[in-house]
Amino acid sequence: QQQVKQSPQSLIVQKGGIPIINCAYENTAFDYFPWYQQFPGKGPALLIAIRPDVSEKKEGRFTISFNKSAKQFSLHIMDSQPGDSATYFCAASINDYKLSFGAGTTVTVRA
Amino acid sequence: NAGVTQTPKFQVLKTGQSMTLQCAQDMNHNSMYWYRQDPGMGLRLIYYSASEGTTDKGEVPNGYNVSRLNKREFSLRLESAAPSQTSVYFCASSERAWGAYNSPLHFGNGTRLTVT
Repeated sequence: QQQVKQSPQSLIVQKGGIPIINCAYENTAFDYFPWYQQFPGKGPALLIAIRPDVSEKKEGRFTISFNKSAKQFSLHIMDSQPGDSATYFCAASINDYKLSFGAGTTVTVRA
Repeated sequence: NAGVTQTPKFQVLKTGQSMTLQCAQDMNHNSMYWYRQDPGMGLRLIYYSASEGTTDKGEVPNGYNVSRLNKREFSLRLESAAPSQTSVYFCASSERAWGAYNSPLHFGNGTRLTVT
């Protein structure tokens, strides 16, 4: 079974909206939480990552929020653009070992 | 700046046929991986090679074999293809094992395999 549960499976927003993707985990030993972005016909690529010693990390319009007590983390895409339409995967690992991926969320941003 | 190159891009096999998926990276990375991507299942690890000369099973190794030919190349072989192996296969590499902090996974563009 997947060690990282990701939701929703897909979502559609209008340009300028804020899609939010959520991930939950059980293993409290996880200590590294990256997000990968995949465009159609391409392989995934690292988008942004966080360690559990911080509650939020921003890179451009992408923000990770991390809630250690709830064992949840989420990706927010601020002021979303049609070019952000992609599949997003959350992931987690322990001591930089065996990255476990969520099931993926397909985001569609309508113009 | 090729990165990770996978061949072929598409392949159709009949049940029972064999084939080898090729992967090469030009970033001098130590670790390489094979994943499969299926709808609703995310990316599942088939095999990995933490360093040249070593290979280990991942989550879903049954029906596959791998060869780390040298530091650059890591191939995936299906000995007797089954319809359940219809998937998109991704090869990835990283400087240090497991896409660790400051050492992300770099993926190829995938091989779309259909087994009829």
